[in-house]
Amino acid sequence: KAGVTQTPRYLIKTRGQQVTLSCSPISGHRSVSWYQQTPGQGLQFLFEYFSETQRNKGNFPGRFSGRQFSNSRSEMNVSTLELGDSALYLCASRLSGVKETQYFGPGTRLLVL
Amino acid sequence: DAKTTQPPSMDCAEGRAANLPCNHSTISGNEYVYWYRQIHSQGPQYIIHGLKNNETNEMASLIITEDRKSSTLILPHATLRDTAVYYCIVIRGNYQLIWGAGTKLIIKP
Repeated sequence: KAGVTQTPRYLIKTRGQQVTLSCSPISGHRSVSWYQQTPGQGLQFLFEYFSETQRNKGNFPGRFSGRQFSNSRSEMNVSTLELGDSALYLCASRLSGVKETQYFGPGTRLLVL
Repeated sequence: DAKTTQPPSMDCAEGRAANLPCNHSTISGNEYVYWYRQIHSQGPQYIIHGLKNNETNEMASLIITEDRKSSTLILPHATLRDTAVYYCIVIRGNYQLIWGAGTKLIIKP
C-alpha cells in the first residue's frame, strides 16, 4: 500500500505571497492532520480534517487554512507569507477513529525569502 | 496536557540494545504513549505505542512502568540506520500528538 504523499517537496516563496500544499493520505484513510516543524518550535499541530470537515485545530493564526476533498486528499494554504513560516510542513493520515495511529508523509520544505 | 521529558542525546554501539527513556509523570489514565522517530528531516516514522502493558513489534519493544510515569523504548540490535531523533509522545484528549524535543540517538560503529 502506498504511503502518504506530499507535493511539492520543496518550495521557495517571498514574503506576502500565498502557498498551497497538497497531501494524499494512505488509501482508505479518512483523517488528515497537518503539522509545522521548525528548529525553534519543534513539531506543532496545525489542524485535522475528517470527512471534509475540520475536526481539530491548533493554535495558529487564520492565515493558515486547510480543506479536505471527498477523496480524502487535503490541501493546506498559507496566505500573506512571513519569514517565520519557513518550515517543514508534515501531513499525517489515519483510518478514521481518533485513537488510530498516524502515519506521516515526507513533508514539504517551505522557504520564505 | 501531559508532557514528556527525554534526554537530548544518547550514543549506542552498533549491535547493542539501545534503551531510550521517557518521563511522562503527568500522564492521565487513558492517555497512550507513542514513539516515533525522524531521520534527518524526513517525515516521522511510527515505531510503537502502548497504554499500560509492555508492547513488542518487529521494530522495537516498549516497557511502561507500573505507575505509567515513565517508559523505555528498546531497539534490540541497533544498526547505523537507527541513527535518528526519537520522540516520545502522549496523546492528548483530542488525540493529537504533543511533541517534545526528542532524543538524538547516534549509533556508533
